[in-house]
Amino acid sequence: GAGVSQSPRYKVAKRGQDVALRCDPISGHVSLFWYQQALGQGPEFLTYFQNEAQLDKSGLPSDRFFAERPEGSVSTLKIQRTQQEDSAVYLCASSLALTGAMGGYTFGSGTRLTVV
Amino acid sequence: EDKVVQSPLSLVVHEGDTVTLNCSYEVTNFRSLLWYKQEKKAPTFLFMLTSSGIEKKSGRLSSILDKKELFSILNITATQTGDSAVYLCAVEPNTNAGKSTFGDGTTLTVKP
Repeated sequence: GAGVSQSPRYKVAKRGQDVALRCDPISGHVSLFWYQQALGQGPEFLTYFQNEAQLDKSGLPSDRFFAERPEGSVSTLKIQRTQQEDSAVYLCASSLALTGAMGGYTFGSGTRLTVV
Repeated sequence: EDKVVQSPLSLVVHEGDTVTLNCSYEVTNFRSLLWYKQEKKAPTFLFMLTSSGIEKKSGRLSSILDKKELFSILNITATQTGDSAVYLCAVEPNTNAGKSTFGDGTTLTVKP
């Protein structure tokens, strides 16, 4: 596709509910990143993939967070037993290369998760 | 731990003014510094800087990096209301490329 597509755009979850956030990167982009952005703050790294391999997941805040990219294209970020502190915008980005050298990363519009 | 600090936190100017946004950083094994503009949700790429003293320019926007003093500035001349946004600075390390560290951004409001 022309850009990075994320769905849903908005998600309201009751505390304790599981959620799945989807990211459809630009076709052919090798690298895919997930970031979490709390209100008024910059994005914080969660994890990244090169093709289907998850090369770094050190930013995932707890074992309730899980990400996958089984075929090296679409990725899903799953959050189990959501807590109020998980409320944030979840941004996905992709790039042709692993670094920003190819003109930075292209971000999706994000999923705004609100846990009530 | 890598760190990026942006200043000011917010800025209100009138159309036609020139603004300078600051970004200072601490990073182990620096690779690049990136500037993004975030209007609604998706940050959009502005510049990538890797070398000191070389100005990158795009229209009314320009940016420069000082690797000795560990900072970068983003200049916007003749501001327009459409420049109103959050401007984010991020550093990318040589190791663990892709694990960029972002600052909290500068919120720029341009009044007509």
